Amino acid sequence: DVKVTQSSRYLVKRTGEKVFLECVQDMDHENMFWYRQDPGLGLRLIYFSYDVKMKEKGDIPEGYSVSREKKERFSLILESASTNQTSMYLCASTNPGTLPDTQYFGPGTRLTVL
Amino acid sequence: AQRVTQPEKLLSVFKGAPVELKCNYSYSGSPELFWYVQYSRQRLQLLLRHISRESIKGFTADLNKGETSFHLKKPFAQEEDSAMYYCALTGRGRDDKIIFGKGTRLHILP
Repeated sequence: DVKVTQSSRYLVKRTGEKVFLECVQDMDHENMFWYRQDPGLGLRLIYFSYDVKMKEKGDIPEGYSVSREKKERFSLILESASTNQTSMYLCASTNPGTLPDTQYFGPGTRLTVL
Repeated sequence: AQRVTQPEKLLSVFKGAPVELKCNYSYSGSPELFWYVQYSRQRLQLLLRHISRESIKGFTADLNKGETSFHLKKPFAQEEDSAMYYCALTGRGRDDKIIFGKGTRLHILP
């Protein structure tokens, strides 16, 4: 059973702080993704990675960066948190095969920026 | 442009009544279509995908290429079906991203 874990379920930070959200998957998946989930806006892709040390911008990368030093770990970084980054953050992983594979999601981190 | 549209933000249905969650898409090519579900306090998870032609928890979805739709249906709603539902698509390429709709909250009334 694929397990995707996220370092925190709830996080409260202040404006201007640097924030790290960690995601770890245990199934040797190649692809990892960070989304934010907001009511009425659905899931929006922030960044994704197809391999170690590789990263690609998603639809809303502004204000975020990512790091993938190891295959199993994908970190989302808010360099200087702002109140409009208050959201639920979801990490997902998938392994490309002959057919598009399903995405396996972590439990989410609810970030509040004061 | 590649897009997934779920026209209803909220759908309320009485228990035992039929359910239909609408999903329309725009994609240049042959996409793979999925439905994901998120129950209260649980993680987002795959419900079903069109290529499997399966029925999960009584739900089915048929891909209609002519109408570019992938509506999710269930003949008799149950209270445990209350959840947030997302329609999604991806291409057949190795590195294709998955595109999600904005979601529909299904509320089953007793």
